[in-house]
Amino acid sequence: GQNIDQPTEMTATEGAIVQINCTYQTSGFNGLFWYQQHAGEAPTFLSYNVLDGLEEKGRFSSFLSRSKGYSYLLLKELQMKDSASYLCAVREGFQKLVFGTGTRLLVSP
Amino acid sequence: EPEVTQTPSHQVTQMGQEVILRCVPISNHLYFYWYRQILGQKVEFLVSFYNNEISEKSEIFDDQFSVERPDGSNFTLKIRSTKLEDSAMYFCASSDLDRGSDTQYFGPGTRLTVL
Repeated sequence: GQNIDQPTEMTATEGAIVQINCTYQTSGFNGLFWYQQHAGEAPTFLSYNVLDGLEEKGRFSSFLSRSKGYSYLLLKELQMKDSASYLCAVREGFQKLVFGTGTRLLVSP
Repeated sequence: EPEVTQTPSHQVTQMGQEVILRCVPISNHLYFYWYRQILGQKVEFLVSFYNNEISEKSEIFDDQFSVERPDGSNFTLKIRSTKLEDSAMYFCASSDLDRGSDTQYFGPGTRLTVL
């Protein structure tokens, strides 16, 4: 079966650092993606991990441990515009993305 | 920057009617996808399409659904006889795996409301 778990909601203050965790159990694994989704809008790509370790891209970093079925997204220097849902998605097989329910992040002043 | 586009942005239909949702993938991409997101729920995979045929589909994608690439730029999702539970946001996505890029880029979505 497929199971991708993320916290439902997190809150943080502007300028802070927040870590959003994702654990997964899927029938196949061919990479893990993080997407950002503002309410009523499309998911936009943030990061991709297929090997263990940390991928850094500006204020965003993503980590993967395949043996633990675990990933996190780290957001630094939070801004108000970072208030959104963050979706963890596992690519099963060649193409199909399986999404978690998403973590709604609220950034306050 | 190239982007996926979708039309219409919002479609309202009566139960039992047919709807066609349209997408224009990024021009040099070769793989196309449809996902849906029921309000307040997670994004769910429907179907992937490559080289003019379906390469993978989910249990949701039953005989009521079909996809087509009618010309060199459009990619469509047809729902033959809509049900109330088909109400959702439908996202088209595309990717260019042949160049080693694994990322699926999503369009802005079509909000389908079935009454």
